[in-house]
Amino acid sequence: AQTVTQSQPEMSVQEAETVTLSCTYDTSESNYYLFWYKQPPSRQMILVIRQEAYKQQNATENRFSVNFQKAAKSFSLKISDSQLGDTAMYFCAFCMNRDDKIIFGKGTRLHILP
Amino acid sequence: DAGVIQSPRHEVTEMGQEVTLRCKPISGHNSLFWYRQTMMRGLELLIYFNNNVPIDDSGMPEDRFSAKMPNASFSTLKIQPSEPRDSAVYFCASSFRGQFGGELFFGEGSRLTVL
Repeated sequence: AQTVTQSQPEMSVQEAETVTLSCTYDTSESNYYLFWYKQPPSRQMILVIRQEAYKQQNATENRFSVNFQKAAKSFSLKISDSQLGDTAMYFCAFCMNRDDKIIFGKGTRLHILP
Repeated sequence: DAGVIQSPRHEVTEMGQEVTLRCKPISGHNSLFWYRQTMMRGLELLIYFNNNVPIDDSGMPEDRFSAKMPNASFSTLKIQPSEPRDSAVYFCASSFRGQFGGELFFGEGSRLTVL
């Protein structure tokens, strides 16, 4: 069975700093997708970034980028120039290529401090 | 376009009562998911449907939980009888299968409190 582990339950950084959230996963599949979702206090789940496992190039979306290490089964999220609006719970998620069942980690609560 | 619509947003009920949560997925999406979020267990996948057919219900905790999708635009999650440990936020999400790795679109969630 696939599992997703986020080892940092909570983090705090100062505004404008760079922060990295960790995620590891376990699977025997070779083709899959990885995601980071953001859940602000409003409770709405928002897709931040997506990575296809067959792509070696790390995905980037503006201030958000990932470090995908397939051999190590690691998928960290880097937020550059953090902003107060980045305060949220961040979930790492995994989906096999052969279906669309998405499994989530338990989340990292990120606080951006003014 | 309207997003995924869930109702009710909040529900407070007493132990033993039946609870029905409702979801309207995004038009054109053919996969629908029910998740439960708690502090202790995070986001758990309860069940998902593709083309209105349940594909995987291995996350449904016990027989007190049931889910249906009678048509492409409506799904329900029912708990009968409810227990205090069912208190959680229940999310419905939809996506378009055929684009593996496609984005999940979530509703705003239904917060259930069982007293």
